[in-house]
Amino acid sequence: DSGVTQTPKHLITATGQRVTLRCSPRSGDLSVYWYQQSLDQGLQFLIQYYNGEERAKGNILERFSAQQFPDLHSELNLSSLELGDSALYFCASSVGLAGVGEQFFGPGTRLTVL
Amino acid sequence: GENVEQHPSTLSVQEGDSAVIKCTYSDSASNYFPWYKQELGKRPQLIIDIRSNVGEKKDQRIAVTLNKTAKHFSLHITETQPEDSAVYFCAASLGGSYIPTFGRGTSLIVHP
Repeated sequence: DSGVTQTPKHLITATGQRVTLRCSPRSGDLSVYWYQQSLDQGLQFLIQYYNGEERAKGNILERFSAQQFPDLHSELNLSSLELGDSALYFCASSVGLAGVGEQFFGPGTRLTVL
Repeated sequence: GENVEQHPSTLSVQEGDSAVIKCTYSDSASNYFPWYKQELGKRPQLIIDIRSNVGEKKDQRIAVTLNKTAKHFSLHITETQPEDSAVYFCAASLGGSYIPTFGRGTSLIVHP
């Protein structure tokens, strides 16, 4: 167990809908990262937050947004869902912003869009 | 941006054999190269990493080598066991950021 928690474990929804994925980082970790893992795209970085502020953006669609709250948990919001958004979404956390330690991955949320 | 190529996509070996997975990266500024193991349906887990000021690093049956000039790095697993069966991802991160760009993964199958 990495200490990173994600809810829900599974999510099944329909096209056009909106969902929210939640992540709680390890105690003491200030950075949260979101990744999408799909069969055709592999593991892709979406976005990073550090202590409540957005620090880096990867291949995140405009339909997706995220935030990190004062208690450091993070939420990833996915809207106007399409079939191609079906994937495993991982959250990871690390102690610092850069150059420190490693990222610890959560168990993931499996999103199925029907 | 950084581009990481990983080969092979599938690797099948007999128990006790060695396995080698190779990755190349495009950005010479990348300086941190982690390797992750992901078992079916589970999270990626860091198994070993190497920084650009080191050429080789070992941890029991696992080793990673880095050739900065050629911009490639490799994972070596010796005396493979069935529990080594998983998907292995290499990654490279740019500069001081620890946001990695991942390779597409190698599915390692170790036959008993």
